[in-house]
Amino acid sequence: DIEMTQSPDSLSVSLGERATINCKSGQSLLHSFDNRNYLAWYQQRPGQPPRLLISWTSTRESGVPDRFSGGGSGTDFTLTINGLQAEDVAVYYCQQYFSVPLTFGGGTRVDIK
Amino acid sequence: QVQLQESGPGLVKPSETLSLTCDVSGFSISQGFYWGWIRQSPGKGLEWIGHTHHSGIAAYTPSLKSRVTITVDTSKNQFSLTLTSVTATDTAVYFCVRRLSGYDEQFFDSWGRGTLVIVSS
Repeated sequence: DIEMTQSPDSLSVSLGERATINCKSGQSLLHSFDNRNYLAWYQQRPGQPPRLLISWTSTRESGVPDRFSGGGSGTDFTLTINGLQAEDVAVYYCQQYFSVPLTFGGGTRVDIK
Repeated sequence: QVQLQESGPGLVKPSETLSLTCDVSGFSISQGFYWGWIRQSPGKGLEWIGHTHHSGIAAYTPSLKSRVTITVDTSKNQFSLTLTSVTATDTAVYFCVRRLSGYDEQFFDSWGRGTLVIVSS
């Protein structure tokens, strides 16, 4: 199984500031045949199910604000929220889909400072 | 827009079988995509259980594979989860999900609201 480790566990950021979440995989998520990293990010607001934000490391889903951006390659990835808004208070999860079993990180809680 | 809604018992006794159904609206299961289940517990976070296609192609997490079955009923536009021989460690919120249709697109673009299942006598 590919272990996914997120850091920090929680993060307090002032409104309008930047939040950066890290995700590290136990093995490379970069497929040699297509040169893509098989990583997705989800947002789970309080009392709601997770919502897909980003796939293929950096491709935002339709309707996701452009203040959300994903990056990284291999085993190290980041989700950045530029200009944190109140509605961004949530737990964020990374997920690898390089191989089965599909696995998630433990989550990073983001709240307002 | 596709919507998913879980239903089933909220309490299951140890050693018995957990059965949940997910009703799909706004999209026909027979049109494609994969349909599956993910659970969330305080101790284990998000855990992928498995997913299946109406053609019969399925994948399950190895740790649960001997106890899990996911089936699709295209006539009712719903799919189901069966988990046998449950223990307290199976207590979790269970989400039904839609997985993208591409062979390598193993991520989830639609989620139900989730249903809490407690395993207790």
